[in-house]
Amino acid sequence: NAGVTQTPKFQVLKTGQSMTLQCAQDMNHNSMYWYRQDPGMGLRLIYYSASEGTTDKGEVPNGYNVSRLNKREFSLRLESAAPSQTSVYFCASTRGATADTQYFGPGTRLTVL
Amino acid sequence: KQEVTQIPAALSVPEGENLVLNCSFTDSAIYNLQWFRQDPGKGLTSLLLIQSSQREQTSGRLNASLDKSSGRSTLYIAASQPGDSATYLCAVEGRQGNLIFGKGTKLSVKP
Repeated sequence: NAGVTQTPKFQVLKTGQSMTLQCAQDMNHNSMYWYRQDPGMGLRLIYYSASEGTTDKGEVPNGYNVSRLNKREFSLRLESAAPSQTSVYFCASTRGATADTQYFGPGTRLTVL
Repeated sequence: KQEVTQIPAALSVPEGENLVLNCSFTDSAIYNLQWFRQDPGKGLTSLLLIQSSQREQTSGRLNASLDKSSGRSTLYIAASQPGDSATYLCAVEGRQGNLIFGKGTKLSVKP
């Protein structure tokens, strides 16, 4: 099992460019999450998908969109990148909606110039 | 709004010491509490999960306790080793299944 995989590992964008961060899990998990991690702020939830076909906003959704492509894949899109979106992005998954261990991917380090 | 606080922010100890990391949360209506480890430049690795109905969980040299009524959890690391050096994150599970994280305790174990 690869667990949770994320691509790319690193990315540099210019302000206004767009990109999609990819996440996939091979554990047959139902729920998937996108977090961002910033120095001094900890990890914060951007969007989540409790099950295939559903998505909901988290604490910091502005400037992002998501797609739950199928049960395995959950992508995060930045339509017009801003320097404030410079961060490390983590995808996570869990078997059920609550009360279960979350498994994290290795992260994508994004810099917006 | 749930807030999670971890104290201390950083801790340096000599190898072999037993140590305690603290986590507090403001809303006792949690589903579970998880402790994670994060190495520099890496993702998060789950260490222990304590269900809201449990008082503690143990894994090897790690023991985590939960006191919901006081909004506190502790992570006890016995006989610390240099390989334990990492940032330790505490997180409580919210209603949507998302985790609400503290800012972490950066642990350094000196040989």
